[in-house]
Amino acid sequence: ILNVEQSPQSLHVQEGDSTNFTCSFPSSNFYALHWYRWETAKSPEALFVMTLNGDEKKKGRISATLNTKEGYSYLYIKGSQPEDSATYLCAFGGSGYALNFGKGTSLLVTP
Amino acid sequence: GAVVSQHPSRVICKSGTSVKIECRSLDFQATTMFWYRQFPKQSLMLMATSNEGSKATYEQGVEKDKFLINHASLTLSTLTVTSAHPEDSSFYICSASGGTSGFEQFFGPGTRLTVL
Repeated sequence: ILNVEQSPQSLHVQEGDSTNFTCSFPSSNFYALHWYRWETAKSPEALFVMTLNGDEKKKGRISATLNTKEGYSYLYIKGSQPEDSATYLCAFGGSGYALNFGKGTSLLVTP
Repeated sequence: GAVVSQHPSRVICKSGTSVKIECRSLDFQATTMFWYRQFPKQSLMLMATSNEGSKATYEQGVEKDKFLINHASLTLSTLTVTSAHPEDSSFYICSASGGTSGFEQFFGPGTRLTVL
């Protein structure tokens, strides 16, 4: 079992605030780092799959960075909206390999 | 993104009964499917990996005779919890990968199992 840590555990921000979360993972034998967005009663939605050190990916107001040498990834949300409220999971793994998940960061955005 | 369905979404059963959970990839062929479970306030933990047409590979501590996994086609995998007990109560979720999905895994919405 590979140790994947996410922080903070939960976060409560006001609409319009920007926020970021951290995911740390083993820096050795890196395959890929996944970010998922998980709303209650729905399937986890894949946000990003990152494979290269220094990768930066963006989808709308959400972006992520990757540092495989030091074993961390940041997820940023710019101008948070209530619909961004969800649990954000990161997972370490790769093609054909199962994912090792962190416990997630629960984000609540209030109007 | 690809769609994975999972049924049932919630099941309550008596101790000693068996429960089957289905995981289907709706718009792609899933050569590999994964089964995870999540206990309260814990992370998703892998139970087993199944490749179409072959026996599942179970993680340490997961009893293969208790959690029967079948992956008979490229679009369907089933998990059967046999002789369920209250300690099996948990959230079970599947994911699928294959074809052109590359590194990506697509998840079902999960099944909440409560054993009385």
